[in-house]
Amino acid sequence: QVQLQESGPGLVKPTQTLSLTCTVSGDSISSGSYYWSWLRQPAGKGLEWIGRIHSSGGTNYNPSLKSRVTISVDTSKNQFSLKLSSVTAADTAVYYCARESYYDSSGRHDYWGQGTLVTVSS
Amino acid sequence: DIQMTQSPSSLSASVGDRVTITCRASQSISSYLNWYQQKPGKAPKLLIYAASSLQSGVPSRFSGSGSGTDFTLAISSLQPEDFATYYCQQSFSNPRTFGGGTKVEIK
Repeated sequence: QVQLQESGPGLVKPTQTLSLTCTVSGDSISSGSYYWSWLRQPAGKGLEWIGRIHSSGGTNYNPSLKSRVTISVDTSKNQFSLKLSSVTAADTAVYYCARESYYDSSGRHDYWGQGTLVTVSS
Repeated sequence: DIQMTQSPSSLSASVGDRVTITCRASQSISSYLNWYQQKPGKAPKLLIYAASSLQSGVPSRFSGSGSGTDFTLAISSLQPEDFATYYCQQSFSNPRTFGGGTKVEIK
């Protein structure tokens, strides 16, 4: 069974960098069959796609966040990570990592982490 | 970016009712449309992908249809565990975008 688990600080100060890691079990990031994605959801609001990475290192980012986002992968640890710089209160949200299919081009996110709440506050 | 518009934003229904939710894309996305269910405090769960394919393990009372710009999610007979918020998502292009959600509540 594929499982994803987010980890990282739950509280980040304004102007600092938010850093989260997603640990994948039950599948190998190196398989190349999937993208590995980050999404977020402010309280009471809808879902926003942040970006994704393939095991080859290729990335795609949401243009609305692109100047502040870096997604990286560590295949030796079967993990991928998110860094979001210069955070403000508007970045307060539940952050999810998810697996997106690549092999069949459906673009479906079939496995998700449980989500982690990150609050931006001084 | 492709804008996804869902309607209604909320609805009230009874157990056993047939429920339909619509999703419209701001441009043609062929069949690159996925549906998710989200319950409070939980991650979204994939229900339907490629507009009409049922994800493994999802009950057959859920179905999806449409192509181009107009799509529908149907629940043939609403069950107590189906009360949740439903989101459509396009996977035609980046950035991936979601509809605003439809909250299905108990009447």
